Amino acid sequence: SAVISQKPSRDICQRGTSLTIQCQVDSQVTMMFWYRQQPGQSLTLIATANQGSEATYESGFVIDKFPISRPNLTFSTLTVSNMSPEDSSIYLCSVDLAGEETQYFGPGTRLLVL
Amino acid sequence: KNEVEQSPQNLTAQEGEFITINCSYSVGISALHWLQQHPGGGIVSLFMLSSGKKKHGRLIATINIQEKHSSLHITASHPRDSAVYICAGETSGSRLTFGEGTQLTVNP
Repeated sequence: SAVISQKPSRDICQRGTSLTIQCQVDSQVTMMFWYRQQPGQSLTLIATANQGSEATYESGFVIDKFPISRPNLTFSTLTVSNMSPEDSSIYLCSVDLAGEETQYFGPGTRLLVL
Repeated sequence: KNEVEQSPQNLTAQEGEFITINCSYSVGISALHWLQQHPGGGIVSLFMLSSGKKKHGRLIATINIQEKHSSLHITASHPRDSAVYICAGETSGSRLTFGEGTQLTVNP
């Protein structure tokens, strides 16, 4: 299993600013994922972050808006840049452990942009 | 059209009832995950299915690959089962595509 922590757990930000969300895992993992859950909706994959390579973004998400770092096998950051109220969401990271069927999710970061 | 579709969107049951949530998915999905999201937002993985049936406690998940359909059943439902249940299809690279979720409320 894996224990995942995220920082911050929640934040309120002004439009036009940027927020960096951290995701820390208690074991080394190859694949990490960043998701967004807008109010009242289900999750949407933003990007896959693999250590040692650039993140792979899903359709509708771009690196300039959501830059991702993956400096090692236990840590990743997602930055939400130049925020607008439409970015108000829960942002979650998850990991896929080799040899295990399930994915493990972080507790999420609740972001409100005013 | 979403690759993963769930029904019903909302479900209210009385304690003790048998509950079924359905999920249909499209071509290209190699496995189906069932997740539980509690009001605080935390997500727990319940099952991953690529064939057959799995059981864990009062939860049972089945999948029919030919029909591209999966079901999550809860036996002897309890108010603590109240949560959002989400099915998600896995595609290449372990990427997940999520259904809209089913809000389950179990009343005492």
